[in-house]
Amino acid sequence: RKEVEQDPGPFNVPEGATVAFNCTYSNSASQSFFWYRQDCRKEPKLLMSVYSSGNEDGRFTAQLNRASQYISLLIRDSKLSDSATYLCVVTPGGSYIPTFGRGTSLIVHP
Amino acid sequence: EAGVTQSPTHLIKTRGQQATLRCSPISGHTSVYWYQQALGLGLQFLLWYDEGEERNRGNFPPRFSGRQFPNYSSELNVNALELEDSALYLCASRSGLTGELFFGEGSRLTVL
Repeated sequence: RKEVEQDPGPFNVPEGATVAFNCTYSNSASQSFFWYRQDCRKEPKLLMSVYSSGNEDGRFTAQLNRASQYISLLIRDSKLSDSATYLCVVTPGGSYIPTFGRGTSLIVHP
Repeated sequence: EAGVTQSPTHLIKTRGQQATLRCSPISGHTSVYWYQQALGLGLQFLLWYDEGEERNRGNFPPRFSGRQFPNYSSELNVNALELEDSALYLCASRSGLTGELFFGEGSRLTVL
């Protein structure tokens, strides 16, 4: 089983739609969780950290389920500019090595 | 405040040659990570440096090596280049406070 797994997609949705991505991780001792966004041929950039209690930043909501070892990202009211690859990042406890999923591709169309 | 900077932006080499990539972290960050992203694939962890020492390396052959300098900048060396080394090489520095990684724009290596 891979350390961090994501559905590669692509998710193809119309503007205004709500879309959700999941990411599973194998190391139950993982301690840090992030969602990054990567545009084509560009560097990844932090979208949001994921906290145990869940957190929201505008149209984006991130949740963590430690019991089932997954994190999720919900995007509401999708914009054309949300089209990108979304990377799930998990750092196992004591490891200090952030491990990236392969990413989920999102395409928002008019 | 300057972000993570990498050089060169693009590099073209032939098989068997050596490549050197450079990275300067955000001021105050002591940890530098190197990742390889081959076309269509995810980020694969290469090397982690902190306080001038190599702390961990990923599942890559020894011809991938590097170092970190006293000013925390870092260098990645790839010897005996192979075609499959063609990839985007990303450097990131880590915030000691939040654990967030900040990436440079990457160095795109093409091996012919």
